[in-house]
Amino acid sequence: RKEVEQDPGPFNVPEGATVAFNCTYSNSASQSFFWYRQDCRKEPKLLMSVYSSGNEDGRFTAQLNRASQYISLLIRDSKLSDSATYLCVVSVFNKFYFGSGTKLNVKP
Amino acid sequence: SAVISQKPSRDICQRGTSLTIQCQVDSQVTMMFWYRQQPGQSLTLIATANQGSEATYESGFVIDKFPISRPNLTFSTLTVSNMSPEDSSIYLCSGRSSETEAFFGQGTRLTVV
Repeated sequence: RKEVEQDPGPFNVPEGATVAFNCTYSNSASQSFFWYRQDCRKEPKLLMSVYSSGNEDGRFTAQLNRASQYISLLIRDSKLSDSATYLCVVSVFNKFYFGSGTKLNVKP
Repeated sequence: SAVISQKPSRDICQRGTSLTIQCQVDSQVTMMFWYRQQPGQSLTLIATANQGSEATYESGFVIDKFPISRPNLTFSTLTVSNMSPEDSSIYLCSGRSSETEAFFGQGTRLTVV
């Protein structure tokens, strides 16, 4: 069983739309949670950490539900520049495990 | 966050040869890791590079195929040995300290012909 499972995507949305990505993890010992963004042919870069209390950074909101082992990312008012692959990442005993990624295409 | 310089950025290699990839971090980091990302796939952890001792490999990866060095807290190498076309992939190194974010090198795009 994979450590991290994500929505398969791709998500094709118009500019201005709200889109949500979901992710589940299998190891209850997971300690830290993140969303990374990866542009085509580039390395992954941190988008935001995810906390149990939920956290928001501008148009991006991340939520963690430890009981359900579920992580979400909400993007409001999508921009063309949001087009990328979004990776759900879980830290287990200091190792990072990546989901397969969800591709987002924001169209004019 | 710290910056990792990874090289080479890309290479085309003959099957049966070996390639060594280097990563240099601009500050000391507690942990360094090596990942592989095959086309259209996500990142798969190969191993944890341990300073001054043997790397810790994930299931499916072995030292003979992917020897790793980490002589100090800012530098690591990954060698892809006796390459075959199935080794064609992007290889990424990563660094982090404690539970902070992981940051990545720019990746090495390897093609084995």
